[in-house]
Amino acid sequence: GAVVSQHPSRVICKSGTSVKIECRSLDFQATTMFWYRQFPKQSLMLMATSNEGSKATYEQGVEKDKFLINHASLTLSTLTVTSAHPEDSSFYICSAQGDGANVLTFGAGSRLTVL
Amino acid sequence: GEDVEQSLFLSVREGDSSVINCTYTDSSSTYLYWYKQEPGAGLQLLTYIFSNMDMKQDQRLTVLLNKKDKHLSLRIADTQTGDSAIYFCAEIPGGTSYGKLTFGQGTILTVHP
Repeated sequence: GAVVSQHPSRVICKSGTSVKIECRSLDFQATTMFWYRQFPKQSLMLMATSNEGSKATYEQGVEKDKFLINHASLTLSTLTVTSAHPEDSSFYICSAQGDGANVLTFGAGSRLTVL
Repeated sequence: GEDVEQSLFLSVREGDSSVINCTYTDSSSTYLYWYKQEPGAGLQLLTYIFSNMDMKQDQRLTVLLNKKDKHLSLRIADTQTGDSAIYFCAEIPGGTSYGKLTFGQGTILTVHP
């Protein structure tokens, strides 16, 4: 079946630094990937839609200069949290369209902790 | 806007059936999904149902869709301790591009031995 890999699974960084999270579709090509954010004990909130070869589409209220998304190939999308602050600490999950047109495959998530 | 709501907690005994309920507001939703999330992990797709279906069964899982009441349920038969997790229902709202899921808050299922 379709597999989506995220890396790193956990990252701790100092306030003010930037962190890059990778999302890879391992056995299929994904023209579109999605980035979600999950706060503790809460649901997932869509942050942006990542389109291969073009600019990402951000949801209302998400700062595009803060959360940089690059989708340079059909198997890789990256999310860079720039100048991270403690309030950016969260669980970030990506997803991509898997086998079939109506199924999304999610990555295992990346837990970011900003000190 | 779109809204998906779930009860937050469910506790059952091992071997019993679990029923997790979900309501949604967008009557033009095309697909509705159930995902499972174990602690510290991503989401695992359990099953999904197309909006023109009333029921879907997959081994221990039964999904019931009442489109009139905009109510979706997931029944897990013979619940096991390994089923303890957070269960999210999600929809693709009508008029939304595929993949932009709206999730419920999640139901924490606890299975007691």
